[in-house]
Amino acid sequence: GEDVEQSLFLSVREGDSSVINCTYTDSSSTYLYWYKQEPGAGLQLLTYIFSNMDMKQDQRLTVLLNKKDKHLSLRIADTQTGDSAIYFCARGGGGNKLTFGTGTQLKVEL
Amino acid sequence: GAVVSQHPSRVICKSGTSVKIECRSLDFQATTMFWYRQFPKQSLMLMATSNEGSKATYEQGVEKDKFLINHASLTLSTLTVTSAHPEDSSFYICSARAQGVPMNTEAFFGQGTRLTVV
Repeated sequence: GEDVEQSLFLSVREGDSSVINCTYTDSSSTYLYWYKQEPGAGLQLLTYIFSNMDMKQDQRLTVLLNKKDKHLSLRIADTQTGDSAIYFCARGGGGNKLTFGTGTQLKVEL
Repeated sequence: GAVVSQHPSRVICKSGTSVKIECRSLDFQATTMFWYRQFPKQSLMLMATSNEGSKATYEQGVEKDKFLINHASLTLSTLTVTSAHPEDSSFYICSARAQGVPMNTEAFFGQGTRLTVV
């Protein structure tokens, strides 16, 4: 399977919380990241977490890391229509390389 | 925050021609730039790592003679798709990391180039 995997699609109602999940196989990464990509655009870094942390909160975003299960999640509180985008998790590797997940398309409905 | 500018944002070319895509770091020096390719509804695939003043390092399966990378200065890397074919049509994205920064800092991404080969 892929090194970094995500579910392809998530649909939520405006105001609800969104939880995007990511699993990975290589546990050697020091940092794990979440990026947002809007249609036809590049990637915007949302947040990152150091591998020795379990949780990181940044305003509406909460990242949870379970190293034992190699599972990373991104929770977006009070999801808005402007949050509709593709979300990629990524792990950092040697040579400053990033390995990206398959991406999760988040659709926010009114 | 730092800005990476990619040009052009869209290009249509004929089969057999070459296309050059530029990636510029506007307000920081980038010793390393990365070139990615993204197929529709898929993840980003790293094509190569571009190092200023030296040859690029290509990922397995990426033809270096087809995808020419030049990183002539600390603010500019170019990707040239040579003898383009319709299967080269894709979304190409560059990213740059500022000189000497650790991995917990942001890798800044260009806005991408949509290449269509007809």
